[in-house]
Amino acid sequence: LAKTTQPISMDSYEGQEVNITCSHNNIATNDYITWYQQFPSQGPRFIIQGYKTKVTNEVASLFIPADRKSSTLSLPRVSLSDTAVYYCLVPLPMDSNYQLIWGAGTKLIIKP
Amino acid sequence: EPEVTQTPSHQVTQMGQEVILRCVPISNHLYFYWYRQILGQKVEFLVSFYNNEISEKSEIFDDQFSVERPDGSNFTLKIRSTKLEDSAMYFCASSPGRDIFSYEQYFGPGTRLTVT
Repeated sequence: LAKTTQPISMDSYEGQEVNITCSHNNIATNDYITWYQQFPSQGPRFIIQGYKTKVTNEVASLFIPADRKSSTLSLPRVSLSDTAVYYCLVPLPMDSNYQLIWGAGTKLIIKP
Repeated sequence: EPEVTQTPSHQVTQMGQEVILRCVPISNHLYFYWYRQILGQKVEFLVSFYNNEISEKSEIFDDQFSVERPDGSNFTLKIRSTKLEDSAMYFCASSPGRDIFSYEQYFGPGTRLTVT
């Protein structure tokens, strides 16, 4: 069964760098990897998207190895407000089509 | 900044009743989506919509579900005969639509559906 895999939860402290890894063994050749952030009772919010190697924006960096079977979201110098669930999104082949499959999400808790 | 809006914010209905959840996507976006999230669980894709037709749907999106874009602004999700297990938060999203797998999607605040 096609799926993505992420750690269920992670803890860190303010000011630290946090890395969250997602595995997606069946990613399709031309598809992008996207990460979202979700706060309780809110809709997910786009963080970053990439295809290969490294992508960086004002919020995060995304590292993707050459085989693209995994990706790592890196959050520099986290703060308490980064406490949220982080989802990895890839399109994965299912039967004769593709489905938009969200990871189970990683609940990140930032401590003071 | 443009945003996706959804109404109502909370809908309570009795089992077997029909509900319509409404969404107004960002005006120049081309792809529209519905997702659901059961309390405490992951986001689940239901359906994507492009050029006035369904482009992708999941196994969850069975015959009791339908989507419509009745005019140039609204995008609706209809559940014909609600079941207890339909209780969830339903999110609408839209994207500029380079292609269906361009995942920079913009989500609305959600409609919490409670089936009693």
